[in-house]
Amino acid sequence: QTVVTQEPSLSVSLGGTVTLTCGLRSASVSTSNYASWYQQTPGQAPRTLIYSTNIRSSGVPDRFSGSIVGNKAAFTITGAQADDDSDYFCLLYMGSGTVVFGGGTKLTVL
Amino acid sequence: VQLVQSGPEVMKPGSSVRVSCQASGDTFSSHSISWVRQAPGQGPEWMGGILPMFGSPRYAVRFLDRVTITADESTSTIYMELRSLKSEDTAIYYCARALGDFWRGYYFQYWGQGTPVTVAS
Repeated sequence: QTVVTQEPSLSVSLGGTVTLTCGLRSASVSTSNYASWYQQTPGQAPRTLIYSTNIRSSGVPDRFSGSIVGNKAAFTITGAQADDDSDYFCLLYMGSGTVVFGGGTKLTVL
Repeated sequence: VQLVQSGPEVMKPGSSVRVSCQASGDTFSSHSISWVRQAPGQGPEWMGGILPMFGSPRYAVRFLDRVTITADESTSTIYMELRSLKSEDTAIYYCARALGDFWRGYYFQYWGQGTPVTVAS
C-alpha cells in the first residue's frame, strides 16, 4: 500500500515563509505524480490551491507556490497571513487512474 | 459544475450503503469522478474513481473487496456502494470531479457537499 508522507504539523510567523513537503515512503516524487495541494477548513470540502506540481488554481494568491524539492513535492507560502492557518493535504497520482492523499499538515500561523 | 450528493445515512454494522452524486454543468462522460471519504479528525482518503466514457472504475487497494463505483450516463449520476460496514466507516463521503487526464495525472477541482454516513448499532 502506497504511503504519502507529510509533516503532521508546522508553524510559521505572520508574514513569514513556510514549506510543506509531500513524499513517498519508498520512491521519489516527480512531476509524473502530478502533485496537487488542498487547503481545508473544518466542515468544508477541500479547496484546490496547486495542481500539476506548480500551477496555481484559478483565484489562488501568488503567495502560494508548488515545486519539487529533492525527492519530494513542496508547497510554499510566502508572506503567511492569518487565514492561512489551516490543514493542508497533498495528492499524488500513482498511475492507472489511482491517486493517494497525504496524511495532511496542520499549519499554525503565529 | 455542480455535484449534488444524496442525504445523510445511518447504518447498522454489516450492512451496505449506497451514496449518489449527480453532476451538472459539464460533459459528464469525459471527466472522471472519484469518491473521497474523511473520517472525524482524519485526512481525506481516496476510495476509487471512474471515467464514465471508459466505464471500468479504479479502486484503492484497501477498498477493492468492499466498494463498487458505477456511473449512469442517462442521469449523469455516479454511485458508490460500500459493503460490510464497520464503525470505522463512519465518515463524510465526498464525490469529487477531476480535471486532467485520468491515465496521466489528475486533480480534484469540484466537490460535492458531502454525505455523512454513520455506522452504529
